Amino acid sequence: NAGVMQNPRHLVRRRGQEARLRCSPMKGHSHVYWYRQLPEEGLKFMVYLQKENIIDESGMPKERFSAEFPKEGPSILRIQQVVRGDSAAYFCASSPLDSPSYEQYFGPGTRLTVT
Amino acid sequence: GQQVMQIPQYQHVQEGEDFTTYCNSSTTLSNIQWYKQRPGGHPVFLIQLVKSGEVKKQKRLTFQFGEAKKNSSLHITATQTTDVGTYFCAGEKNDYKLSFGAGTTVTVRA
Repeated sequence: NAGVMQNPRHLVRRRGQEARLRCSPMKGHSHVYWYRQLPEEGLKFMVYLQKENIIDESGMPKERFSAEFPKEGPSILRIQQVVRGDSAAYFCASSPLDSPSYEQYFGPGTRLTVT
Repeated sequence: GQQVMQIPQYQHVQEGEDFTTYCNSSTTLSNIQWYKQRPGGHPVFLIQLVKSGEVKKQKRLTFQFGEAKKNSSLHITATQTTDVGTYFCAGEKNDYKLSFGAGTTVTVRA
């Protein structure tokens, strides 16, 4: 059973470009979470999605950031017009269908660098 | 909003010694989870505590959930170099969101 997959692992964007981060949850998991981690800091919740639904996006900036989890395909975190402050590690996690209180399985993360 | 505070931020330990990291929430939690992140890696689930006063052990690691379900601790005995990393607690309050503490980064002197 493959773990949570994220790609790309490293992404470099110039200011003003768009960044697209992809996450494929573990097989059988229908809950997806995105977190942002700045250097030497904890993980900050951004958004929680189930298939085709955004359940909670309270941690995501209202502008420039969006997330989706379509019926088919990976979850996408999209950052438009990136700025230097967006440089961080973005982790996706998934958990099983039956109980959201199960542990979350994290992907390897995407390290975004904005130059 | 829910705040989870974790202390200490850094823990420098002599190999073989014990240490404890503490986690405190401003609100009562439904459960608390602990994760370990190695340098350059991603968080890996260690354990979940659900019941008030619960204590769970994993070899040299002892996890405790407070009676009021607002605090937790992780105690590691006889620290080894393999214990290096950052340990995060994460509290859940029945809303599907985990609030992570800032983590305790552990370094070990051989």
